[in-house]
Order: sequence, then structure tokens, then C-alpha cells
Amino acid sequence: EVQLLESAGGLVQPGGSLRLSCAASGFTFSRNAMSWVRQAPGKGLEWVSMISGTGDTTHYADSVKGRFTISRDNSENTLYLQMNSLRVEDTAVYYCVKDRYGVGGGLFDLWGQGTLVSVSS
Amino acid sequence: DIQMTQSPSSLPASVGDRVTITCRASQTILSNYLNWYQQKPGKAPKLLIYAASVLQSGVPSRFSGSGSGTDFTLTISSLQSEDFATYYCQQSYTTPYTFGQGTKLDIK
Repeated sequence: EVQLLESAGGLVQPGGSLRLSCAASGFTFSRNAMSWVRQAPGKGLEWVSMISGTGDTTHYADSVKGRFTISRDNSENTLYLQMNSLRVEDTAVYYCVKDRYGVGGGLFDLWGQGTLVSVSS
Repeated sequence: DIQMTQSPSSLPASVGDRVTITCRASQTILSNYLNWYQQKPGKAPKLLIYAASVLQSGVPSRFSGSGSGTDFTLTISSLQSEDFATYYCQQSYTTPYTFGQGTKLDIK
């Protein structure tokens, strides 16, 4: 079965760190770029970051640049998002998302179930 | 950044209605880079249409998309009960990939 399974999120204090992971199965992971997309409670969708299939190209939204790092391990079929210096406004459900193409392109054809990250004191 | 604006934000409708949602980009984007997603409460979004008018595999033919330049539309020809959801347009022309604010289709 083609699926993406995110790790559990959690409650973090402002300024803290958290690493999300996403296990992919059912497709050749290294052939597809991957992204993280988030959704604050009751709000719309916000693209966060993207990594190419080979892992040599990354892009970030300005809102997370310098604080978040996307990476992948193609031998383990796993995508990561290291989140540092977390802010209250980072509170959201984070979705792991598969891009249709290897070099990216923002066409999101498979989504994980999402994991909630709450940033609060 | 390319801003995506959807209208309306909320759309009351009934089963059997024909509904149209509009998406406007703040600058011209090629049609190949306009996508539509459906999201039901508590669930992840699902790709419905890509390249402005191409139906994703498995999506019913009552859904259609059109448009070019800065103006795009999603149409549902005859609304079914399972179509009540929130719909988002998204541009994949350039990073940051941006979404419209969403259109919530609910029961009239």
C-alpha cells in the first residue's frame, strides 16, 4: 500500500526543538521530491519546505527559514523535519507530502495523516 | 510570493446543485501549475485536479477545472453528499508554493 506515516508530534515550549519523521512505503521513495505542509488550527494550508528526490536541493518558506531543516534518508525511506527555535505560531498539524516529480514542482499527490505540533508554555 | 485568492470563502449548496469556485493568482501562472485539493474535516487534503484541468486518477467526472493566466475555476456539475468539504487551489509554478485560503462547501 502506498502510504506516508508521520511520527507523533507533541507539546513543546517556545524556543524548543522537535524532529518529525515520515516513513514512506509502497513507492520508490528516492524518485520523488517530498514536502512538509502545515495547517494551523482552523486555518488553511501553508507549504513549509521541500527536498528533491536525491536530497541535494531544498527550499523553505520564509516563515521557517533558518529555524527548520528538511532532510531525507533514501536508504530508510524516511523524511525528516528538524524544527528549532519553535514559536507559538508554529502550532499546526504537519503533513508529510509526496511530490509527483523527483526534482520537485509542488504537485502533491499523496499526503500523510498529519501530526499535531503544539508550541505553548 | 504569488498570492492565491479564492471566492467565495463559504458556499452553501444543496445536493444536485452545480457549483463553481474561483481562484485568482496575483500574477500570471502557467496552467500546468494550478492544482485543486479537497479536504474533509479531520482528514488530510486529497489531490483532485492538476494542471488546471486534469482529473487525478479516481476522481469522479462531475469535477472539472478550467482557466488560464490568473483566473481559474473548479466546477462540480451535480453536487453529491460526499462533496461537502473545503477546497483549496494551489500554485506550483514557483516556491513558495502557495494555497488559496479555502472555500468551504456546506449544506444549505
